Amino acid sequence: TQLLEQSPQFLSIQEGENLTVYCNSSSVFSSLQWYRQEPGEGPVLLVTVVTGGEVKKLKRLTFQFGDARKDSSLHITAAQPGDTGLYLCAADREDQGGKLIFGQGTELSVKP
Amino acid sequence: EAQVTQNPRYLITVTGKKLTVTCSQNMNHEYMSWYRQDPGLGLRQIYYSMNVEVTDKGDVPEGYKVSRKEKRNFPLILESPSPNQTSLYFCASSLAPSSYEQYFGPGTRLTVT
Repeated sequence: TQLLEQSPQFLSIQEGENLTVYCNSSSVFSSLQWYRQEPGEGPVLLVTVVTGGEVKKLKRLTFQFGDARKDSSLHITAAQPGDTGLYLCAADREDQGGKLIFGQGTELSVKP
Repeated sequence: EAQVTQNPRYLITVTGKKLTVTCSQNMNHEYMSWYRQDPGLGLRQIYYSMNVEVTDKGDVPEGYKVSRKEKRNFPLILESPSPNQTSLYFCASSLAPSSYEQYFGPGTRLTVT
């Protein structure tokens, strides 16, 4: 059973389009992180959100943590080929002593 | 440069032949962990360590061992590898678990035939 469900799993879009990736769970989390992974490399942290309803922006990327701290979204405005990669959400479970769990990832391909 | 290093990066081996994947970090981090990454399953935690001589099982520990004799090193040991352990493995370190940034190594692609 996947405790963190990401959708969509695959996304192929044209340069300039907008997109949203979702990360959902039935569990409440203390915090949630988004990572980006490029082929042949390990994931790299993009952002951490800790407060319900929190919104953080990183250039063209907007991250939101749900009010109930059970879900999150990543929105990319005017996607560019450099945004191509695997996007992973990760959250620590309040009932598991802070162990981090990962969603299955969203593979994004942005074509020029 | 702050980094997590893993060796080897690629390994092809046969069933039953013991192997060790090394992991080292130079950031003086307390917390280290091992993950495996499989298509459609994301990253799953194998083992983690809160400090020297303190290790605990993650979500998929079967078939793996770890040790933490020094703060900087956290090797992953497969005593008798099997084909279902073919995967991409990542070591990570951080100041603490949960909301702290995890720094990942470059990965080790293991194939067990």
